[in-house]
Amino acid sequence: GEDVEQSLFLSVREGDSSVINCTYTDSSSTYLYWYKQEPGAGLQLLTYIFSNMDMKQDQRLTVLLNKKDKHLSLRIADTQTGDSAIYFCAVPSYNQGGKLIFGQGTELSVKP
Amino acid sequence: EPEVTQTPSHQVTQMGQEVILRCVPISNHLYFYWYRQILGQKVEFLVSFYNNEISEKSEIFDDQFSVERPDGSNFTLKIRSTKLEDSAMYFCASSERGGAISYEQYFGPGTRLTVT
Repeated sequence: GEDVEQSLFLSVREGDSSVINCTYTDSSSTYLYWYKQEPGAGLQLLTYIFSNMDMKQDQRLTVLLNKKDKHLSLRIADTQTGDSAIYFCAVPSYNQGGKLIFGQGTELSVKP
Repeated sequence: EPEVTQTPSHQVTQMGQEVILRCVPISNHLYFYWYRQILGQKVEFLVSFYNNEISEKSEIFDDQFSVERPDGSNFTLKIRSTKLEDSAMYFCASSERGGAISYEQYFGPGTRLTVT
């Protein structure tokens, strides 16, 4: 079945780069997403990549996609304490109803 | 910036009671979704809705659940007879486009449902 996996925790020092990884089993060939959830808040769409791209850069964020290995990563450059949150990878299901399949989320802790 | 809103932010109900969770999607969006997240678990898809019809539903979305767009702005999720295991954070989402290609879905802040 369709599944998305992420590591649960990542701790970095302020100013370092953070890399959050995600693997998936199956996906329709469309967009793949990263969402951010701050404590007590909803899911904020952070960035996305179209499946025909290998890389997308958006200011401090870089998304890398390896379709062969079904591996997606999110790199945050110059990580700040305000980046502390849970980051979710989400990939669309093969079905045509728009269903997103989420990973369990990676909790990023940024230490000053 | 337009955003999805949800009410209430927290709902406490007794087992067996009916609850209605409300959402106001972004105004020019046509596709609507409900997801839920049980504490400590993954965000799970419940249902998608377009053109006043359910497009897709998960196995969680059984006969106890229903969705409705009662007017031009609201989108509701009804649970007819709540169970303890329905306790979760319920997220509404909307997207401008949808269907075969899953376009960007924008999420509301969630309603925390507690069933006692």
